[in-house]
Amino acid sequence: DQQVKQNSPSLSVQEGRISILNCDYTNSMFDYFLWYKKYPAEGPTFLISISSIKDKNEDGRFTVFLNKSAKHLSLHIVPSQPGDSAVYFCAASETGANNLFFGTGTRLTVIP
Amino acid sequence: EPEVTQTPSHQVTQMGQEVILRCVPISNHLYFYWYRQILGQKVEFLVSFYNNEISEKSEIFDDQFSVERPDGSNFTLKIRSTKLEDSAMYFCASSEGVNYGYTFGSGTRLTVV
Repeated sequence: DQQVKQNSPSLSVQEGRISILNCDYTNSMFDYFLWYKKYPAEGPTFLISISSIKDKNEDGRFTVFLNKSAKHLSLHIVPSQPGDSAVYFCAASETGANNLFFGTGTRLTVIP
Repeated sequence: EPEVTQTPSHQVTQMGQEVILRCVPISNHLYFYWYRQILGQKVEFLVSFYNNEISEKSEIFDDQFSVERPDGSNFTLKIRSTKLEDSAMYFCASSEGVNYGYTFGSGTRLTVV
């Protein structure tokens, strides 16, 4: 039962351009969403989050957009840098729950 | 920067053997988690632990699995009788609260042969 979906397994972007990673969810009870970045042989690293009371959260080069009606969120990275090359996981949870549901990840490659 | 430490980084075990995966969460964090990632698949929730007891667990976390915080610093995952399908990367994580970003360890790769 895939409650969080990342339909693009990979994405390649030129350095300096915008990277847009997408995520869809099915559980309408989810109200907190996170993005994690994962390098090989390392654990996921928290990147940015958003709660359902907002539709946008920005942190430096990273912006997360949430469209609750479409059950869709996206992560924008601009400008993209080669060091951003990693696997990005979208995750979701609902208030009071003590676990996260992860998507399958999108491998981002930023080409110098 | 504080980090979550996991040992060993790689464990090979025979099917049917017991394994204990160890984690040292960040000291002021209150919530602890185990996740796993089978090769090529998504990161899956196993269990969360708060106030010295399991707060949530997934269907994967059956009677073969147990967790313990034996000494206030370590957080362990025990698999009593390993199966081939337990082979995966196991990640420990901790957080300050339920809706805070988790800090993950670098994982233990468990290979059951």
